[in-house]
Amino acid sequence: DTGVSQDPRHKITKRGQNVTFRCDPISEHNRLYWYRQTLGQGPEFLTYFQNEAQLEKSRLLSDRFSAERPKGSFSTLEIQRTEQGDSAMYLCASSSTMEGTPLTFGSGTRLTVV
Amino acid sequence: QQQVKQSPQSLIVQKGGISIINCAYENTAFDYFPWYQQFPGKGPALLIAIRPDVSEKKEGRFTISFNKSAKQFSLHIMDSQPGDSATYFCAASLSGYSTLTFGKGTMLLVSP
Repeated sequence: DTGVSQDPRHKITKRGQNVTFRCDPISEHNRLYWYRQTLGQGPEFLTYFQNEAQLEKSRLLSDRFSAERPKGSFSTLEIQRTEQGDSAMYLCASSSTMEGTPLTFGSGTRLTVV
Repeated sequence: QQQVKQSPQSLIVQKGGISIINCAYENTAFDYFPWYQQFPGKGPALLIAIRPDVSEKKEGRFTISFNKSAKQFSLHIMDSQPGDSATYFCAASLSGYSTLTFGKGTMLLVSP
């Protein structure tokens, strides 16, 4: 297992288009998180799954954002009708439910909306 | 409302010196305090973490000092090296609830 994998690494899209990102967590991890990071800021929590259940969504996650984890393995994050303000690094992380298991982050998907 | 405040924003330290980054938190229910290191183009990676039942934790050149009464914790990097140049984030989370709240980050540059 090589860690948390995210695809694509970079995405440039025109305003108004839809985009979808994929995250493959560490295989034995049942928790999966999405964070967003803008330049000069720390990661901000968007949502998290335990297995296939989406247990929490941040107020940052507008109606244009939707995340899925259909089989409790990989996850997708879709942004509809992208806006320039959506430009950011989208980070995926995973962990297990074992107490003290740290979050392991992927390298992220950098989204640029032009 | 920013629940974890980090300072300084940036820091320049000479090789061999001590780098010190500070964080303050507001929510007294937080009970897990990690530090993450991030290199350009990479995701954050866990460096060291502490729980409030101890006042200090050391791993190699990295030490966390924790002051529960002041609601502050800090990262000390001893014998700083150019390879330590990165952005460092403090974070905090609630017991049994591992969603992390991050500080804004400190960009560390260690000059040769």
